[in-house]
Amino acid sequence: AQSVTQLDSQVPVFEEAPVELRCNYSSSVSVYLFWYVQYPNQGLQLLLKYLSGSTLVESINGFEAEFNKSQTSFHLRKPSVHISDTAEYFCAVNPAGGTSYGKLTFGQGTILTVHP
Amino acid sequence: GAGVSQTPSNKVTEKGKYVELRCDPISGHTALYWYRQSLGQGPEFLIYFQGTGAADDSGLPNDRFFAVRPEGSVSTLKIQRTERGDSAVYLCASSLGGRALDEQYFGPGTRLTVT
Repeated sequence: AQSVTQLDSQVPVFEEAPVELRCNYSSSVSVYLFWYVQYPNQGLQLLLKYLSGSTLVESINGFEAEFNKSQTSFHLRKPSVHISDTAEYFCAVNPAGGTSYGKLTFGQGTILTVHP
Repeated sequence: GAGVSQTPSNKVTEKGKYVELRCDPISGHTALYWYRQSLGQGPEFLIYFQGTGAADDSGLPNDRFFAVRPEGSVSTLKIQRTERGDSAVYLCASSLGGRALDEQYFGPGTRLTVT
């Protein structure tokens, strides 16, 4: 079984400041790692994912996350946030492997609030 | 193109009643998932369909919950004898092939309130 812990339930920051949303996971097997975002009054959207290869993955809107196998972490970072980044962010894992399917295990979520 | 849609968006029902929640996946997606999101929590897996069959229903909390996907497209989540603890947002997602690395596209959810 897998578990995901998001260490901060709420993160308030000022516009243009850097931000890090922390995610740790536990699993006895290899996993794929995901960050999903939920903007106010919208459904969950995939932000970025790590499947294999380079441990640093990036999104189209400036977020990045680094897979750290030794620390079982997949923290999400952005060097300069915008008001429009205000949303709830969910870290999720899925067992990897040829016979696995998309049974996502989510963390509790982190509400990012960007203040002007 | 059209995304995943769910109806109704909100449902208020009395304790003990029966409810049905509908999910229309993206056309051509063979995999369909149901999740439940309680207040302040992340989504929790309920059931996974590959085509018409339920490939994994290990997340359904008890036998009051049942889901079908008779033609491999639309799915209905059915809850019998609702309890106040069933109050949550029920999310549906679909993906092209159902592999672990396939992106899941989520619907807006159905907010169920049991009074």
